Amino acid sequence: AQSVTQLGSHVSVSEGALVLLRCNYSSSVPPYLFWYVQYPNQGLQLLLKYTSAATLVKGINGFEAEFKKSETSFHLTKPSAHMSDAAEYFCAVSVSGTYKYIFGTGTRLKVLA
Amino acid sequence: ETGVTQSPTHLIKTRGQQVTLRCSSQSGHNTVSWYQQALGQGPQFIFQYYREEENGRGNFPPRFSGLQFPNYSSELNVNALELDDSALYLCASSLGDRGGYTFGSGTRLTVV
Repeated sequence: AQSVTQLGSHVSVSEGALVLLRCNYSSSVPPYLFWYVQYPNQGLQLLLKYTSAATLVKGINGFEAEFKKSETSFHLTKPSAHMSDAAEYFCAVSVSGTYKYIFGTGTRLKVLA
Repeated sequence: ETGVTQSPTHLIKTRGQQVTLRCSSQSGHNTVSWYQQALGQGPQFIFQYYREEENGRGNFPPRFSGLQFPNYSSELNVNALELDDSALYLCASSLGDRGGYTFGSGTRLTVV
């Protein structure tokens, strides 16, 4: 069975600082991994996805994530936070690209001026 | 190309009533999934439809049912509404297996 753990329900960073949002997964088969962002009162927007190609995945808005099989991790990073990055971020795992996703509980990112 | 559109955006229903939520998938997408997102939680998988057939279901009771139409649009029906059904309901569509889903903006259902 697949599962996702997001460490830290709330993360605060200063504007311009490094953003690091943690995601660890559990999967009995090679996983597909995703990061989504959700702004208040909106749906989910795909930031990036890992589908067994390159382990370092670049996404939109300057975000990237690295798949580390040995650590079962898929942490999301951005070198320099912007005020517009304040949102909730969800990590998700799937056994394929479109079968059901198992989502983490989310990390709310706050960016301080 | 158009994205995934859901209607209505907000809905208030009384406990015991029935509700139908609608989703138009992104053009050409043949797979639709529905998710329930309770306040402060991650989305939970309800079920998936592929070419008008249900091909996967999460841990939701039978009073949650769905349909997918020949144009790949979809409906989510919930009977005998309970207070705990209050949530954001998200529809997501995809074409093929590797691309990942495109999510709609959701329908906010409040049961009173």
